[in-house]
Amino acid sequence: AQSVTQLDSQVPVFEEAPVELRCNYSSSVSVYLFWYVQYPNQGLQLLLKYLSGSTLVKGINGFEAEFNKSQTSFHLRKPSVHISDTAEYFCAVSDSLVAQGGKLIFGQGTELSVKP
Amino acid sequence: GAVVSQHPSWVICKSGTSVKIECRSLDFQATTMFWYRQFPKQSLMLMATSNEGSKATYEQGVEKDKFLINHASLTLSTLTVTSAHPEDSSFYICSARKPGNTGELFFGEGSRLTVL
Repeated sequence: AQSVTQLDSQVPVFEEAPVELRCNYSSSVSVYLFWYVQYPNQGLQLLLKYLSGSTLVKGINGFEAEFNKSQTSFHLRKPSVHISDTAEYFCAVSDSLVAQGGKLIFGQGTELSVKP
Repeated sequence: GAVVSQHPSWVICKSGTSVKIECRSLDFQATTMFWYRQFPKQSLMLMATSNEGSKATYEQGVEKDKFLINHASLTLSTLTVTSAHPEDSSFYICSARKPGNTGELFFGEGSRLTVL
């Protein structure tokens, strides 16, 4: 069975500082990993995804994540955050492509709060 | 990116009544849609997988007679909360799978249900 653990429920950070949101997963088979962002009272927007290939994945809004198979991690990073990055961030895992019937399992979420 | 729209965004109803939430893929045909439930400050819990032209597949612990799902066309899935009670109050989010190799998911804006 798959599971996702986001190690920090809340991450406060000052504007222009770097940030890392941590995500660890467990999966017994192939793994596909995603990061989504949710602004208040809105649905989810895909930030980036790892399906295969390069372990360093770049996404929208200056975010990137690195797939580390040995540590079963997929941490999200941004070198310099903005106030507008304040939102809830979800890590998700699937054991097969959605096109092949895979379902996303979401982590508990990390609330990123960027302060001026 | 593709667009998925939910309606209504907010709904308040009396206990015992039924509420219907619509999920539409506006610019692509979605043979598969997913319905999630999200409690405050918590993650998304998959409720069911909605397949066009067939019965929905419900996750363990989700009452199919309580949460009726209909996927009558390639662009519309509906979730009906029957005989709603205050404990059904939640944020309901749908996602639609876009055709293609990876079948990327696109999420609706969510619908907040409050049962009085």
